[in-house]
Amino acid sequence: DVVMTQSPLSLPVTLGQPASISCTSSQSLVYKDGNTYLNWFQQRPGQSPRRLIYKVSNRDSGVPDRFSGSGSGTDFTLQISRVEAEDVGVYYCMQGTYWPYTFGQGTKLEIK
Amino acid sequence: VQVVESGGGLVQPGGSLRLSCEASGFTFSRYWMGWVRQAPGKGLEWVANIKPDGSDKVYEGSVKGRFSVSRDNAKNSLYLEMNSLRAEDTAVYYCARDSGSGAWGFDYWGQGTLVAVSS
Repeated sequence: DVVMTQSPLSLPVTLGQPASISCTSSQSLVYKDGNTYLNWFQQRPGQSPRRLIYKVSNRDSGVPDRFSGSGSGTDFTLQISRVEAEDVGVYYCMQGTYWPYTFGQGTKLEIK
Repeated sequence: VQVVESGGGLVQPGGSLRLSCEASGFTFSRYWMGWVRQAPGKGLEWVANIKPDGSDKVYEGSVKGRFSVSRDNAKNSLYLEMNSLRAEDTAVYYCARDSGSGAWGFDYWGQGTLVAVSS
């Protein structure tokens, strides 16, 4: 199985400041069709997960443009340009290139 | 787009439970669908996926042989039959739509249904 490793696991951030979460996969996530199926999810306290980013860098509908994704191969990053109070929660990366799908451990973002 | 789970509850170890998920707002029969679970205070774990026509099913290793995913496209419904339940299966189970070919990953999630396995 592909192991997804996130860092940091805890991320205290001051409002208005940027934040960055790293996700590393144990093998390349480039699929035979040339696409890289790396997703990012946000889970606010008490809520279901919500997808923010698919295929490394594509924002889902309704996702604020302060969220961006980047990376390639085995190394990926989710960036928030200016953290807002509503961004508090746990962020997960997930690979959809191989079965079984696998998630990272989660990164808990909190306001400092 | 909406997916709504039901069927969770308290069950004894070794028991069985059937979860249901009713979908609306999209053409259900065109999408892969999946189940993801989250144990209390823990992270997300993918459980199973099923192809749009039901002909292909994929399972996470620890549930293979115990859980069975199915769907009824005429009823816009997804199911998860869970047998030989263990304490470690205790979790909130989410039904989710998979974007499928070209964008593999879950784009819509339900609110979840809690399964508690305990004597």
